[in-house]
Amino acid sequence: SQQGEEDPQALSIQEGENATMNCSYKTSINNLQWYRQNSGRGLVHLILIRSNEREKHSGRLRVTLDTSKKSSSLLITASRAADTASYFCATAYNTNAGKSTFGDGTTLTVKP
Amino acid sequence: ETGVTQTPRHLVMGMTNKKSLKCEQHLGHNAMYWYKQSAKKPLELMFVYNFKEQTENNSVPSRFSPECPNSSHLFLHLHTLQPEDSALYLCASSQGSSGGGHGELFFGEGSRLTVL
Repeated sequence: SQQGEEDPQALSIQEGENATMNCSYKTSINNLQWYRQNSGRGLVHLILIRSNEREKHSGRLRVTLDTSKKSSSLLITASRAADTASYFCATAYNTNAGKSTFGDGTTLTVKP
Repeated sequence: ETGVTQTPRHLVMGMTNKKSLKCEQHLGHNAMYWYKQSAKKPLELMFVYNFKEQTENNSVPSRFSPECPNSSHLFLHLHTLQPEDSALYLCASSQGSSGGGHGELFFGEGSRLTVL
């Protein structure tokens, strides 16, 4: 299975601190995506990184991809209470990002 | 507001009922998806529609019946469900590219289904 596995399963930090979540996968991928889900809501796309890219930024988010280690990390800098959510990585083995396989997610709690 | 609207947001049904979930996307995308999110399990892809044609059925039981009348609307018809089918059902859409790939998913808020 190419399913991504997030680590840690749960993370609790203080507002202003950085949060780092990791994703590992088993097979070669075309792209990897990160999504955020607030409790009881739908998922929101954050960043898509392709297999030939090593790092992408979007605002306070930084995603890295190491295809040799089959792993990715999501860094949220200067976290806010509003960042409290579950974060999922999704891996696509072809160019259809919509057919990605999702991991179990990391639950992030940011305390004010 | 993601541009993908799901109704109803909550549904409670008995095992002998027939109900339908509806999804509408206002993004002009050409692919739509049904995902199932159960407690303690990863998000599971159920069905994929590309330009109204079903391109994937991930071994979903026949008690779930999808329908895609056009690129903007997607339904999931439910009948004789089991309590273990209780979950959050998420609809998503994506836009295909000229190279044949598809970009990221845009999700609706989900329909929380409880089967008694």
